[in-house]
Amino acid sequence: EAGVAQSPRYKIIEKRQSVAFWCNPISGHATLYWYQQILGQGPKLLIQFQNNGVVDDSQLPKDRFSAERLKGVDSTLKIQPAKLEDSAVYLCASSRDREIRYEQYFGPGTRLTVT
Amino acid sequence: DAKTTQPPSMDCAEGRAANLPCNHSTISGNEYVYWYRQIHSQGPQYIIHGLKNNETNEMASLIITEDRKSSTLILPHATLRDTAVYYCIVRLPNSGSARQLTFGSGTQLTVLP
Repeated sequence: EAGVAQSPRYKIIEKRQSVAFWCNPISGHATLYWYQQILGQGPKLLIQFQNNGVVDDSQLPKDRFSAERLKGVDSTLKIQPAKLEDSAVYLCASSRDREIRYEQYFGPGTRLTVT
Repeated sequence: DAKTTQPPSMDCAEGRAANLPCNHSTISGNEYVYWYRQIHSQGPQYIIHGLKNNETNEMASLIITEDRKSSTLILPHATLRDTAVYYCIVRLPNSGSARQLTFGSGTQLTVLP
């Protein structure tokens, strides 16, 4: 099966600009996650969707970050306006529901540099 | 979720077994132990998970102590391609927000030729 797709792979923007990332999960995976990974740290969950509903967005900086999952498939993560500290890799992951062997499948990530 | 403690880095000779420890002394009775790894410039990859019993799959073995306060991931014959950051994570069974993975800093395993 095809993996989780993300685009773009790299993005460089200036602070205060806007940026959007796109994620296409594995077909049939109901749950989708966005993580932020700052250099040298483990990934940190930003938001979790189940189908097109938000399960948890408690760690999403809602003053500048937004995310949506249209029709319960693709998802976009937006930052507006970006700050220097938003420089990180943004990872998208997906998983099936109701699996005994639970695992998340991760995409390759989008590396964002804010200058 | 319980927190985990891992050494920041380890080296292993190619072809030898790599044993990566993880301490999870506050794990609760229904929390699973998961291991993921992240090769440079890639997203994390699932390796294995377990509850109480030792587990083995095509990638690795997971040894969980009887009191479940620690575990060891074993890569039986490490190759250069196993060089990665390895994350030990404990989480509740699969439901709602419990599906989330809380990553620590992991262990950087370097396999040496």
